[in-house]
Amino acid sequence: EPEVTQTPSHQVTQMGQEVILRCVPISNHLYFYWYRQILGQKVEFLVSFYNNEISEKSEIFDDQFSVERPDGSNFTLKIRSTKLEDSAMYFCASQDGLAGDNEQFFGPGTRLTVL
Amino acid sequence: ELKVEQNPLFLSMQEGKNYTIYCNYSTTSDRLYWYRQDPGKSLESLFVLLSNGAVKQEGRLMASLDTKARLSTLHITAAVHDLSATYFCAVDVNNDMRFGAGTRLTVKP
Repeated sequence: EPEVTQTPSHQVTQMGQEVILRCVPISNHLYFYWYRQILGQKVEFLVSFYNNEISEKSEIFDDQFSVERPDGSNFTLKIRSTKLEDSAMYFCASQDGLAGDNEQFFGPGTRLTVL
Repeated sequence: ELKVEQNPLFLSMQEGKNYTIYCNYSTTSDRLYWYRQDPGKSLESLFVLLSNGAVKQEGRLMASLDTKARLSTLHITAAVHDLSATYFCAVDVNNDMRFGAGTRLTVKP
């Protein structure tokens, strides 16, 4: 069964460093999302992406964040200068966009630790 | 601003009992999702509810949606230990998904 994959599973970085989190959505899906979940807290929406551009973003998604779909398969989240509070699980999700139920499929997540 | 509120946040129940988790949201939406998350794992889609009055059932879980009341419920019937997890509802407004805080369910033998 097709699934969303994410790499790396765990990323440790120093404060101020740039990180790129990678996702491979399900083939033929049209909508892509990034979420984060601080340990023990709820899932927070960051950004949605459709037709090679951001369709919605939350207040969390400030100038330090950017997304890209560089090659038609990968979907990346870049954090330019990481802060301690960026430590969280980051989930990518993809969605068909055409099927009636609009189900989102989540990847396994990347645990980002900022030291 | 879209707000999504779940209650209870913590639920401990005995096997065999029934209980309901509630999800209220503040803005008109006709798409509501329920997810399950096991500790340290990703989110597993349980239900997608698309219209007022929608009811879906899978095993011991049944979800419903009342768009007029802006309320969704997740009903657990005859709980078993395997249902122990955190359950999130999420509301989609124009591809902006907002999650509830989650209900941590513990089913005790």
